[in-house]
Amino acid sequence: GAVVSQHPSRVICKSGTSVKIECRSLDFQATTMFWYRQFPKQSLMLMATSNEGSKATYEQGVEKDKFLINHASLTLSTLTVTSAHPEDSSFYICSAPVGGANGYTFGSGTRLTVV
Amino acid sequence: AQKITQTQPGMFVQEKEAVTLDCTYDTSDPSYGLFWYKQPSSGEMIFLIYQGSYDQQNATEGRYSLNFQKARKSANLVISASQLGDSAMYFCAMREGITAGGTSYGKLTFGQGTILTVHP
Repeated sequence: GAVVSQHPSRVICKSGTSVKIECRSLDFQATTMFWYRQFPKQSLMLMATSNEGSKATYEQGVEKDKFLINHASLTLSTLTVTSAHPEDSSFYICSAPVGGANGYTFGSGTRLTVV
Repeated sequence: AQKITQTQPGMFVQEKEAVTLDCTYDTSDPSYGLFWYKQPSSGEMIFLIYQGSYDQQNATEGRYSLNFQKARKSANLVISASQLGDSAMYFCAMREGITAGGTSYGKLTFGQGTILTVHP
């Protein structure tokens, strides 16, 4: 149980275009979703926390106008990278808190390449 | 200040041997949770083991055990009988924050990670 489905798994886009990444909770209601970015061989850095029905909370240094997060329902949270640039190329992964010792369930991640 | 510190960028171990991956943490919150995750090259995050700050005994899950030393603020992962499939990046993470109804909504803070390579 407690699966988060993340799509797409890989995307290549041109500079200046926007890309939307979706995370769907399949068998539970996710009131909170965490969005992380990870550069190769580095740690997961929290970008923002989305809460259903309210504005996302962004970490310091993350441009909220560039990384648009929407959490319109209890089963869907989206991250849109607007006007993407090559430096936005990274691995993006979402995570939702769940009950029990496991604590969190993660999406499978999205590898974004901006050319 | 770094809340979670993994000082070993890379570790090597011989197949069937045990290996310890280090993790130290810093928090003033008396209630916190410590997690270890494995991340293979595919990128998925695989949960390995959890230790709560109030747990009296060290956590164990199969070949994984957590050496929790609260006074020293360390939570090292021990992998026994290493297998080739254990080669991956390993992350220590800490949760602080509010728990309601058995579910914590606190964010996870990750360490820098350790790349483990198991040699045949």
